[in-house]
Amino acid sequence: DVKVTQSSRYLVKRTGEKVFLECVQDMDHENMFWYRQDPGLGLRLIYFSYDVKMKEKGDIPEGYSVSREKKERFSLILESASTNQTSMYLCASSFPTGSPSTDTQYFGPGTRLTVL
Amino acid sequence: QKEVEQNSGPLSVPEGAIASLNCTYSDRVSQSFFWYRQYSGKSPELIMSIYSNGDKEDGRFTAQLNKASQYVSLLIRDSQPSDSATYLCAVGTNRDDKIIFGKGTRLHILP
Repeated sequence: DVKVTQSSRYLVKRTGEKVFLECVQDMDHENMFWYRQDPGLGLRLIYFSYDVKMKEKGDIPEGYSVSREKKERFSLILESASTNQTSMYLCASSFPTGSPSTDTQYFGPGTRLTVL
Repeated sequence: QKEVEQNSGPLSVPEGAIASLNCTYSDRVSQSFFWYRQYSGKSPELIMSIYSNGDKEDGRFTAQLNKASQYVSLLIRDSQPSDSATYLCAVGTNRDDKIIFGKGTRLHILP
């Protein structure tokens, strides 16, 4: 079974803090993704990575950065947390079979981040 | 902007009946289609994927794809209260190598 884990289920931070969200997958997947999910807005792609050291901006990268130093780990960084970054953050991974658009994405349990 | 549209619901279905969830997409060259189930407060889990026109069955679930009409649906037979969840439709296109998620349909199975 694919296992994607995230470092925290719930996280409370203060405005201006630097926040690290960690994601680890144990299935040797090359593709990894960070989404945020908000009521009424659905899943929105923040960043993705198709290989170690590689990163690409998604649809809403502003205010975020990522790091992928090892294949199994993909970190999302909020450089200076703001209240509008309060959200559910979901990490996903997939195994490349030809095109990322055809690869099934498997999700971690999510981190509910509250920024006060 | 390529879009995936779903009725937000809630869709209420009596226990034991067939629940029918629908999804339309705008990119004509889309090639992969996924249905995810998401319980409240949990992350999405894959139910099934479909790539070719027609029906694909897995247990109580059937996915139906009609590329000409740009329409994909999920049927749930013998609906159970445990099927109450939000169902996300996701569509992939190799035009830009991405998978786009719909906002989901909330399904409520009435005991």
